[in-house]
Amino acid sequence: AQTIHQWPVAEIKAVGSPLSLGCTIKGKSSPNLYWYWQATGGTLQQLFYSITVGQVESVVQLNLSASRPKDDQFILSTEKLLLSHSGFYLCAWKRDWGYEQYFGPGTRLTVL
Amino acid sequence: GDSVTQTEGQVALSEEDFLTIHCNYSASGYPALFWYVQYPGEGPQFLFRASRDKEKGSSRGFEATYDKGTTSFHLRKASVQESDSAVYYCALGYMNYNQGKLIFGQGTKLSIKP
Repeated sequence: AQTIHQWPVAEIKAVGSPLSLGCTIKGKSSPNLYWYWQATGGTLQQLFYSITVGQVESVVQLNLSASRPKDDQFILSTEKLLLSHSGFYLCAWKRDWGYEQYFGPGTRLTVL
Repeated sequence: GDSVTQTEGQVALSEEDFLTIHCNYSASGYPALFWYVQYPGEGPQFLFRASRDKEKGSSRGFEATYDKGTTSFHLRKASVQESDSAVYYCALGYMNYNQGKLIFGQGTKLSIKP
């Protein structure tokens, strides 16, 4: 069975500080990986996707970047946080031949 | 661009009531349609999908039928339970092996009174 793990569970950061969020998938080789952002009480917005190691495509520009250093790892980062970055960050995976995406438990980010 | 509209922002019911959450979509192509459920503090869980006209998806007593004519995919359940309290999202996506872009509706918060 596939498992998806996100770290940290929650972060409280200052405006202007750097950020790094991580996601790991176990039990599935070469998954398609995704980052989503969800404002409190809001809907989900896809930020990035990756179909292979080293390749990441941006869907929405939010002064964030993403990288895929390993087949099972996806990283979301920024050098300078904004207040608008606060929210719930979700990682998801999909089989390359499938439709549906499966989400991780999420990371709650609060920027003060 | 493609979009998903959920009419109800919140729905409040009692146990054993019948549930309908309305979902309409606008798409340039022929998308697959999905329902996800999200419990507080957790990531969304995939409920089911339908990928062609008149196809019915179902899971855990919930069901929805893809209707291309009315561009709808309404979620229904005959008898809700308190444990069904959550936020429900309708979404659309294309059979794109790579990007897998999903477009979500605004979500409907379902509250069930015991």
